[in-house]
Amino acid sequence: DAGVTQSPTHLIKTRGQQVTLRCSPKSGHDTVSWYQQALGQGPQFIFQYYEEEERQRGNFPDRFSGHQFPNYSSELNVNALLLGDSALYLCASSLVPAGGTYNEQFFGPGTRLTVL
Amino acid sequence: GQQVMQIPQYQHVQEGEDFTTYCNSSTTLSNIQWYKQRPGGHPVFLIQLVKSGEVKKQKRLTFQFGEAKKNSSLHITATQTTDVGTYFCAGPRTGKLIFGQGTTLQVKP
Repeated sequence: DAGVTQSPTHLIKTRGQQVTLRCSPKSGHDTVSWYQQALGQGPQFIFQYYEEEERQRGNFPDRFSGHQFPNYSSELNVNALLLGDSALYLCASSLVPAGGTYNEQFFGPGTRLTVL
Repeated sequence: GQQVMQIPQYQHVQEGEDFTTYCNSSTTLSNIQWYKQRPGGHPVFLIQLVKSGEVKKQKRLTFQFGEAKKNSSLHITATQTTDVGTYFCAGPRTGKLIFGQGTTLQVKP
């Protein structure tokens, strides 16, 4: 049973560029959440997708957008990259519908984004 | 701002010593989760507490949820080198899962 997978593993971009990160949830999971984890910090909630719609959003600018596909996989897009966007981007999947009580989050290995 | 606080930020212990990390929320939580992240790894779910005053044990790990459901603790008895990592608490707040900044545990063999 495959767990949560993310691609790419590492990415280097320059300021102003755009990036797309991808996530495949654990088999059977329908909800995907994205987190940004800066070095030495806890994961910061970006947004959550369920039934192909953004259900919850954290305190992130509109430069951060996402999408969920019918097969429950998801993409995170970041436009106009800033140096401060350098972080580990984590995807987590679960069975809990958006807005409901959170249950166990299964995290992927993350994408390490470096913005130069 | 940060709504879930954890202390201490770092803890260095000798192998065999006990370790405790504390988590405090500014508001009442419906439940609280604990995760462990090994160096270079990703967070892995440890446990979820739901009831006021709940205590759960996993081998050498003891988790508590406060009576007011605003604080929680994780206690490790007789630490081992395999316990090294960062421990995060997380609680739902307005539909979002909010993580604390974590407590990083170092264990000297």
